[in-house]
Formats: sequence, C-alpha cells, structure tokens
Amino acid sequence: EAQVTQNPRYLITVTGKKLTVTCSQNMNHEYMSWYRQDPGLGLRQIYYSMNVEVTDKGDVPEGYKVSRKEKRNFPLILESPSPNQTSLYFCASSLSPSVEQYFGPGTRLTVT
Amino acid sequence: GDSVTQMEGPVTLSEEAFLTINCTYTATGYPSLFWYVQYPGEGLQLLLKATKADDKGSNKGFEATYRKETTSFHLEKGSVQVSDSAVYFCALNSGGSNYKLTFGKGTLLTVNP
Repeated sequence: EAQVTQNPRYLITVTGKKLTVTCSQNMNHEYMSWYRQDPGLGLRQIYYSMNVEVTDKGDVPEGYKVSRKEKRNFPLILESPSPNQTSLYFCASSLSPSVEQYFGPGTRLTVT
Repeated sequence: GDSVTQMEGPVTLSEEAFLTINCTYTATGYPSLFWYVQYPGEGLQLLLKATKADDKGSNKGFEATYRKETTSFHLEKGSVQVSDSAVYFCALNSGGSNYKLTFGKGTLLTVNP
C-alpha cells in the first residue's frame, strides 16, 4: 500500500530535550516536506526537499532541522524544543511540488 | 510572495444545502491550485486540482474552477452530506523554480442532519 508513515504519532516532551520525528514514504517520490498545523494559522511549511541531499527552508524553519540521506526518509529534528513548537506536524511526499501531495497521519507534539 | 486567502469559518450547513468556500490567491506566474480535505483525526488528502486557467477540477461532487482574471478557485458542492464535515484547505504552487507549497488557513465545515 502506498503511504507516508510518521513516528511517533503522539509525543510529550520537556523543553530542551532533543527529539526526532521520522517520516518515510514507499512511493519513490522525489519531493518531501514538513508542515505544522496550528489553530487559526492553518498549515505552514517548515522545510522541503527536492531530492536526496537537497533541502531548503519553508516559511517557518526556525528551531528545526532536517536531513535527506535516503530518498524514502525525511526526519524532522528539534535540537532544543520549546513550548512554542507544540503543534500538529505533517510529513508529505510527491513526485513534485506541483502535483498531489500525499500526507502522513500526523504527529501531535507537546513541549512542556 | 505567494499567498492564499480563504473564507473564515466555521461554516455550518444543513444536509443537502449548497456549499461555497471562497479562495483567492496571489502568486507569480501560473500556479497550480489545489483543494485538500482533512477529516477529523486524519492527515490531508487531495480533493481536486487545476493546473491552468479555466480548468475545472471535480471530485466527489465538489467542483472548483481556476479563474485567472479574478485569481480565485472557489470550492462548490450542490448538496452537502453529513460525511462532508471536515476542514478544507486551498493551496497553490507557483511552479518553475518555486518549490514551496502555500496553504490557506483552512475552513471548518460542519453539516448537520
């Protein structure tokens, strides 16, 4: 089954404790990206990757890192999480940014 | 830069009512336009899309027409069902060397029986 998987689905952590949210797709897609969803702000792009080893900032990259060492994986790293990063995070993939994005199920992160 | 503006929600309708969710955009070039839907507790999924002016995207009874002259991509459905209750997002990619996707803030639709 074609899908985007994210782990964990739910995470509660404390300020400053490094964490990684994994994202993996099995559709051989070149393009992958991360979004955060917040009430009243909609969906905002954090980082995107056009292909392996090529990543770039979206609209809200501060406090996040990503890497794309393999085509199928695109982890999101929070080196020192803060409460303002409490949010619902989505990973997505596609052949290119101008076609349908396939979204993962989301990761709800709470930073206390 | 690119931007998407969609009507503020929430929108509450009775079953079988007509639905319109307005979406206007600002973009360079000739963007591709999308409507995504998010059902409760789920990720987003593509509802429909249009890639050039005057294209009409349609799916599951929903339609939207790419209007370049008014920079709009309004979502419509003639008769909504309770199962259409969800959050709807308008989005665009302006193509070329722009690899970013821009989403609107989303519109919550609730359909009552």
